[in-house]
Amino acid sequence: RKEVEQDPGPFNVPEGATVAFNCTYSNSASQSFFWYRQDCRKEPKLLMSVYSSGNEDGRFTAQLNRASQYISLLIRDSKLSDSATYLCVVGAGQGGADGLTFGKGTHLIIQP
Amino acid sequence: DTAVSQTPKYLVTQMGNDKSIKCEQNLGHDTMYWYKQDSKKFLKIMFSYNNKELIINETVPNRFSPKSPDKAHLNLHINSLELGDSAVYFCASSHFVGYEQYFGPGTRLTVT
Repeated sequence: RKEVEQDPGPFNVPEGATVAFNCTYSNSASQSFFWYRQDCRKEPKLLMSVYSSGNEDGRFTAQLNRASQYISLLIRDSKLSDSATYLCVVGAGQGGADGLTFGKGTHLIIQP
Repeated sequence: DTAVSQTPKYLVTQMGNDKSIKCEQNLGHDTMYWYKQDSKKFLKIMFSYNNKELIINETVPNRFSPKSPDKAHLNLHINSLELGDSAVYFCASSHFVGYEQYFGPGTRLTVT
């Protein structure tokens, strides 16, 4: 199974700041991309899908760069409640037929 | 109206025992998964079923046997439990393979 790599952090960021994470993937045939969020002792929850043209959901913006094989997540005006582990997820194989591969996550701590 | 549910939430047992974890989804999804998240928080896929058929079977000891009686259920039976089996086991489902997945709350297994 091909890898998905993320900086584990932790990223310590003051409340209200903007923070960005990158994630690289090794399988050039990957077709689907997501960011998940996991709170301590909870299940992963879908934050947003990542589309080729980039997409935005409120304070969150995701970008995909197929040429360099990385995806990014930008969080603006960060809130205390944004503290969590952010998982980069890539659909392996053509059309994601081999299922999803999860990165090990980036730990974000928003400080008051 | 929980989307993906798992039972039990906690499971404490001794080495050598056999135990089962149950998972049910009411989302009408075709694909279900079992993941293991170890103490280092790495989320690793174990099995995937699509329409009751096994489609992903990662390198998992054959003491682990998944069973899917219907599309909405995927159970995990573990024989001869070992200390290294202690982890959180997550069930997930998706509409199709490679699409965004929705996770159950997890089963925290402790083997003593």
